[in-house]
Amino acid sequence: EAGVTQSPTHLIKTRGQQATLRCSPISGHTSVYWYQQALGLGLQFLLWYDEGEERNRGNFPPRFSGRQFPNYSSELNVNALELEDSALYLCASSLVGLPSGTQYFGPGTRLLVL
Amino acid sequence: QKEVEQNSGPLSVPEGAIASLNCTYSDRGSQSFFWYRQYSGKSPELIMFIYSNGDKEDGRFTAQLNKASQYVSLLIRDSQPSDSATYLCACSPNTGGFKTIFGAGTRLFVKA
Repeated sequence: EAGVTQSPTHLIKTRGQQATLRCSPISGHTSVYWYQQALGLGLQFLLWYDEGEERNRGNFPPRFSGRQFPNYSSELNVNALELEDSALYLCASSLVGLPSGTQYFGPGTRLLVL
Repeated sequence: QKEVEQNSGPLSVPEGAIASLNCTYSDRGSQSFFWYRQYSGKSPELIMFIYSNGDKEDGRFTAQLNKASQYVSLLIRDSQPSDSATYLCACSPNTGGFKTIFGAGTRLFVKA
């Protein structure tokens, strides 16, 4: 069974640009979560999607947005990039019926903003 | 006060010893508790979860939960150098899919 996949693995942008990160959940999983992990810091919850709808959002500005497609894959968009957006962005998926913390993580996208 | 607190470490233990990792949480509504392991440069992987007060064992790992004290711990018996990683504690308020809060993690170093 394939795990959670994310693309690209690395992304380099400049301040003010937009970044798009992609995630494909484990087959059969309908929930997708996005987290930001800045260097040396813990996981900060960004967004949760389930069945195509945004279900919950962390304490991030509106320039962080996303969507979930009918096949349950998801996109995270970051507009007007700032230097402090440089971080590892992790996507996780889970299956309805499992406790919400039972999440399976992808390898992450490392975003560098110059 | 952070919602989930962990000692950042590093916690250093000799090979074969028991490593004890601790976590406290502030939300009394938390129902589910998780331990994830994250190797340097890699993504977190689920080790185990616990819902009920008491101990839960899985191989060399034992999770302990005390809801009255709002305390979760992870014991690793017979620690191996391959256990060296950052261990993340996480809490979820219920099984309805509300956001999971992660601690900042404790770095564990097992000396050969």
